[in-house]
Amino acid sequence: AQSVTQLDSQVPVFEEAPVELRCNYSSSVSVYLFWYVQYPNQGLQLLLKYLSGSTLVKGINGFEAEFNKSQTSFHLRKPSVHISDTAEYFCAAVYNQGGKLIFGQGTELSVKP
Amino acid sequence: DVKVTQSSRYLVKRTGEKVFLECVQDMDHENMFWYRQDPGLGLRLIYFSYDVKMKEKGDIPEGYSVSREKKERFSLILESASTNQTSMYLCASIGPTAYNEQFFGPGTRLTVL
Repeated sequence: AQSVTQLDSQVPVFEEAPVELRCNYSSSVSVYLFWYVQYPNQGLQLLLKYLSGSTLVKGINGFEAEFNKSQTSFHLRKPSVHISDTAEYFCAAVYNQGGKLIFGQGTELSVKP
Repeated sequence: DVKVTQSSRYLVKRTGEKVFLECVQDMDHENMFWYRQDPGLGLRLIYFSYDVKMKEKGDIPEGYSVSREKKERFSLILESASTNQTSMYLCASIGPTAYNEQFFGPGTRLTVL
């Protein structure tokens, strides 16, 4: 069965430090990958998506992710985080034309001053 | 901007009550989804709909039903609420292609006492 795994449930980091949130997906011929962010008491907002083409994808708020087919990974990175980046981050994949997203378990990013 | 709205942000119900959660989107999207979000489990798909009066079970449909009488509205129904249905419920909609992003509502936090 297709699945998405986020390897860290919580990531604490100091302000202005770099961060990487890890995501692995189950291999498939065709897959689209997404990162969503959920700020406290809000719905999910799209950060970035990989559909095809360049393996380095840039998103909003200075985040980027790299699609690595050989390692079936789609890790999210930011070179310098802010307090306002504190949120829960979800990696997700679509494997077919139906648009059904399969979500990872989520990673809580906590940025400390 | 796409708007997905949910009828309530917070809801408290008693065991055995019938509960309706309403979701409305304003972008003429065909596909709509209901998820529940629980800590450590990410988002899990309850039901989805590709068109008016069409519905399909997701990964955890037990104890839930849905209704889609109009294209813009997708309702989630708990026929007889139970305490294990206490959760955050998120509605989403998506355009006609699989790689379009899903747009999420703000969520309804349901507590069943």
